[in-house]
Amino acid sequence: GAVVSQHPSRVICKSGTSVKIECRSLDFQATTMFWYRQFPKQSLMLMATSNEGSKATYEQGVEKDKFLINHASLTLSTLTVTSAHPEDSSFYICSARDRLGARYEQYFGPGTRLTVT
Amino acid sequence: GDSVTQMEGPVTLSEEAFLTINCTYTATGYPSLFWYVQYPGEGLQLLLKATKADDKGSNKGFEATYRKETTSFHLEKGSVQVSDSAVYFCASSDNYGQNFVFGPGTRLSVLP
Repeated sequence: GAVVSQHPSRVICKSGTSVKIECRSLDFQATTMFWYRQFPKQSLMLMATSNEGSKATYEQGVEKDKFLINHASLTLSTLTVTSAHPEDSSFYICSARDRLGARYEQYFGPGTRLTVT
Repeated sequence: GDSVTQMEGPVTLSEEAFLTINCTYTATGYPSLFWYVQYPGEGLQLLLKATKADDKGSNKGFEATYRKETTSFHLEKGSVQVSDSAVYFCASSDNYGQNFVFGPGTRLSVLP
């Protein structure tokens, strides 16, 4: 089946620094990828939709200047958390969309746990 | 907009007990329905899915049937194991693999 990877799996950074998280589709090309955020003991919330070669579409309430998304190739999307603060600490999960016949499926990455100190 | 509701738990069962986690959805059109499992500290794993009414998804002893008339997709397992302890998320999406909507998750603890 389709595999999506994320790197790093865990990262600890100091407040005020920036952190980049990579999302890769390993065995398929994904024109569309998605970024989600999960707070402890809560469900996943969609942050943004990333389309290859164009600007990402952000959900309401998500700061696009803080969460920079780049989808420069058909297998890689990156999320950069700029000037991170402790409240940005969270579990970030990406997914990639693949076409299966007449349907599309989303495949989820294993997640990246960000801790800002 | 679309939404997914599921019993939030936590649910605590003894090993070999029967499990049901209720899930209902609201959506325009005919969504695909999913159950995902998240083990502590890990990402989501697809457990099972169904793409049209009356489809039954099954995997690892878990089953769920897409019921259009009751807009439900309840998860069941006849005999749970300690290793089934995790958080289970019900979700829906459109047929374009977009507009994924997750339920709040149900934490299951299975005691030996």
